[in-house]
Amino acid sequence: SQTIHQWPATLVQPVGSPLSLECTVEGTSNPNLYWYRQAAGRGLQLLFYSVGIGQISSEVPQNLSASRPQDRQFILSSKKLLLSDSGFYLCALGPWRGAREQYFGPGTRLTVT
Amino acid sequence: DAKTTQPTSMDCAEGRAANLPCNHSTISGNEYVYWYRQIHSQGPQYIIHGLKNNETNEMASLIITEDRKSSTLILPHATLRDTAVYYCIVRDTGRRALTFGSGTRLQVQP
Repeated sequence: SQTIHQWPATLVQPVGSPLSLECTVEGTSNPNLYWYRQAAGRGLQLLFYSVGIGQISSEVPQNLSASRPQDRQFILSSKKLLLSDSGFYLCALGPWRGAREQYFGPGTRLTVT
Repeated sequence: DAKTTQPTSMDCAEGRAANLPCNHSTISGNEYVYWYRQIHSQGPQYIIHGLKNNETNEMASLIITEDRKSSTLILPHATLRDTAVYYCIVRDTGRRALTFGSGTRLQVQP
């Protein structure tokens, strides 16, 4: 079965500091991977998705970037964090299209101070 | 994707069935209804999805009305661990991602 790992689980960073969140998946090859963010009390917002190594698409202009250096690794980064970057970051894998479910990782809770 | 409307919150007694409604009156023919839930501080968990017919799995049942304008998620015997926010999502299979709304906060009472 598919497993999604995310780390760290929680993170507190000062404004202006860099960020790197990692997501790795097991039990599948060539997965479609997604980064979502959930602000406090809000729904999920899609940030990036990737259909393969080196292929990244951005859904919303952000202070963030994503990379996919390996088939089962997806990284979310920032050079300088903003207060508004605080939130719950979720990595997911799922179908590119079609009527199938997405699976979500355990998430990283980021607080920018 | 079509918009969904769900009650903000619901209570259910432990051991009883929890029936969570969802309105999706603008759903189109190629859009599926998905249900996810999110327990506090965890990632969303897939529950069930369907197109026209009612569906059942080990977690829940999904009842979709004949006109497909609404659906109900049924947890047959709610437990305290079912306390979560439940999201009803309508998604075109051509879309690449899910659009989560505010969901229904279900509180299962002992």
